[in-house]
Amino acid sequence: RKEVEQDPGPFNVPEGATVAFNCTYSNSASQSFFWYRQDCRKEPKLLMSVYSSGNEDGRFTAQLNRASQYISLLIRDSKLSDSATYLCVVSSGGGADGLTFGKGTHLIIQP
Amino acid sequence: DVKVTQSSRYLVKRTGEKVFLECVQDMDHENMFWYRQDPGLGLRLIYFSYDVKMKEKGDIPEGYSVSREKKERFSLILESASTNQTSMYLCASSRTRGESPLHFGNGTRLTVT
Repeated sequence: RKEVEQDPGPFNVPEGATVAFNCTYSNSASQSFFWYRQDCRKEPKLLMSVYSSGNEDGRFTAQLNRASQYISLLIRDSKLSDSATYLCVVSSGGGADGLTFGKGTHLIIQP
Repeated sequence: DVKVTQSSRYLVKRTGEKVFLECVQDMDHENMFWYRQDPGLGLRLIYFSYDVKMKEKGDIPEGYSVSREKKERFSLILESASTNQTSMYLCASSRTRGESPLHFGNGTRLTVT
């Protein structure tokens, strides 16, 4: 059964710190990977796609490790506004909708 | 920017009522989806559609049906609402099946009393 696993947290992190969390997936045929951010009682919003070579967008860095089947998200110089739930999404690229969501990691940035 | 619009933000219905949740996207996406999200259970796929008049069951289709008469519009129907259908309902669309990211509407919080 396809699975995407995330540590639910919460991760309590002081403002300005660096925080990282991982997401493991079980389907080795997975092809596309995404990180979403979801604020309380709001819809998920795409944060970034995750490419094989890794990618960076400002304070956010995403990495893919195919050998160990996980993706990671690193947030540097964390801000209070980074407090949210971060959802990992893995695509198998075919059949049904091909997308599997993790249940999310809850991040709380403390002043 | 992709815009996915859900017709209602909050909805309160009685048990046994027929409920329609409407979703419209403006980016000419082929693919549209309905999810529900509950605490501790994450996002669960109800139905999806890859083309007009086409629909496929997701993981939890029981008690729901859908309609896609036009490319931009995907409706979720609760034939006879029950209290266990109280949830946050999220519509999404995407460009490429299974590969491109989903763009979500802002959700409908449905309460069935």
